[in-house]
Amino acid sequence: EAGVTQSPTHLIKTRGQQATLRCSPISGHTSVYWYQQALGLGLQFLLWYDEGEERNRGNFPPRFSGRQFPNYSSELNVNALELEDSALYLCASSSGLVNNEQFFGPGTRLTVL
Amino acid sequence: ELKVEQNPLFLSMQEGKNYTIYCNYSTTSDRLYWYRQDPGKSLESLFVLLSNGAVKQEGRLMASLDTKARLSTLHITAAVHDLSATYFCAVGLLTDSWGKLQFGAGTQVVVTP
Repeated sequence: EAGVTQSPTHLIKTRGQQATLRCSPISGHTSVYWYQQALGLGLQFLLWYDEGEERNRGNFPPRFSGRQFPNYSSELNVNALELEDSALYLCASSSGLVNNEQFFGPGTRLTVL
Repeated sequence: ELKVEQNPLFLSMQEGKNYTIYCNYSTTSDRLYWYRQDPGKSLESLFVLLSNGAVKQEGRLMASLDTKARLSTLHITAAVHDLSATYFCAVGLLTDSWGKLQFGAGTQVVVTP
């Protein structure tokens, strides 16, 4: 069974540009989560989508947004990139069953120059 | 606000010896997850602990949860080199429908001969 996939693996942008990151969940999983892992800041929750709706949002400015498509894949958009947005962005999915275990993808490394 | 604290943050282990990583959290929860991350890689799910007194074991790793003390421990028995990694605990809250995980800062484990 295929795991969570993310694209691209690496993304290099300049300050002020926009970045789009993509995630495909494990087949059968309806929930997708986005986390940011920045140096020195640890893993921080960004967004949670379930059945196409945003369920929860972390402490990030509105320029971080996303959506979930009917096939449950998801997109994270970061507008007006800042240098401190450089981080590993991890996507996870879960089936929403009792334990709600989240399975993580390989991540997208975003570098903002 | 939920706070999750891990200690130690760095653990130098000798092969063959036993060690424990501690995870304390500030708000009542009975959902505790342990993950492993190898350098430059994503997170691998190790254990899901769902109730007070829960104990899970896999190979040389054993995790337990004490919801009254708001404490989880990850015990490593007879450390071996391939256990070198960073270990994270994460807590989910019912008020967030268990979806938003709050991660500890991680414990970097290095196992030497």
